[in-house]
Amino acid sequence: GESVGLHLPTLSVQEGDNSIINCAYSNSASDYFIWYKQESGKGPQFIIDIRSNMDKRQGQRVTVLLNKTVKHLSLQIAATQPGDSAVYFCAEESNDYKLSFGAGTTVTVRA
Amino acid sequence: DAGVTQSPTHLIKTRGQQVTLRCSPKSGHDTVSWYQQALGQGPQFIFQYYEEEERQRGNFPDRFSGHQFPNYSSELNVNALLLGDSALYLCASSSGTVGTDTQYFGPGTRLTVL
Repeated sequence: GESVGLHLPTLSVQEGDNSIINCAYSNSASDYFIWYKQESGKGPQFIIDIRSNMDKRQGQRVTVLLNKTVKHLSLQIAATQPGDSAVYFCAEESNDYKLSFGAGTTVTVRA
Repeated sequence: DAGVTQSPTHLIKTRGQQVTLRCSPKSGHDTVSWYQQALGQGPQFIFQYYEEEERQRGNFPDRFSGHQFPNYSSELNVNALLLGDSALYLCASSSGTVGTDTQYFGPGTRLTVL
C-alpha cells in the first residue's frame, strides 16, 4: 500500500543551528502535504503545509520543500530552539480525505 | 477561538468492555476524523465523518464505529476491547467543503486496556 515515511528516526541538533528533517512519500496521487509537530502527551500541531503545485513554502522560521520528481519532502527549521524539541511527522493527503503519516522523527535540541 | 477538544483525557478499561470517546471540532469546522496512535508510531486513520455520515474509513474492524451530531461533534465507539486497542485516540477537524483542507488535531484521549 501507499505510505509516507521519514528517513531518520532521530535528529540531534545544537541550539541555534538549522535543522533539516526529511520525508519520502510513495503515493504519486497525493496532492497535499503537511508537517506536524507533536510534543510529549499532546496532539499533533500543524506547522506548515504545501500543495503539489508548489515546490517551496516558507513560514515563520520554517520552510517546506517538495520535490515531486523523487517524491521527497523536507522541513527546514532555522535557528533551532529548545522549544523545537518534539516528534515531527510528515503527512500526505490525496483526494480521499484521509491523512497518511510516517513514523516520525524525534528532534532533540542540545543546549 | 476554541480549538479541537476531546474527552475524557485518560481512560482505563478491561478487555471485552466498550468505550465511547468524544470530540468537539474547531469553530467553523464541519468534518471530524479519528486516528489511532500507538506508542512510538504515527497516527493511523480510522474514519472521517461529514454531514453526519461516515465518508471514508481506514483499515479498522467493525468494532470501531462512530457518529456525528448535527452540531458537528463526534463520538468514537469501540466494542469488545482488546489489549491492542491501547493507544492515544486523536480527533482532527477540518472544513469538509473545501477539498483537501488542513486537519487540526485535539489533545487526544489516552486509552489503556487491561
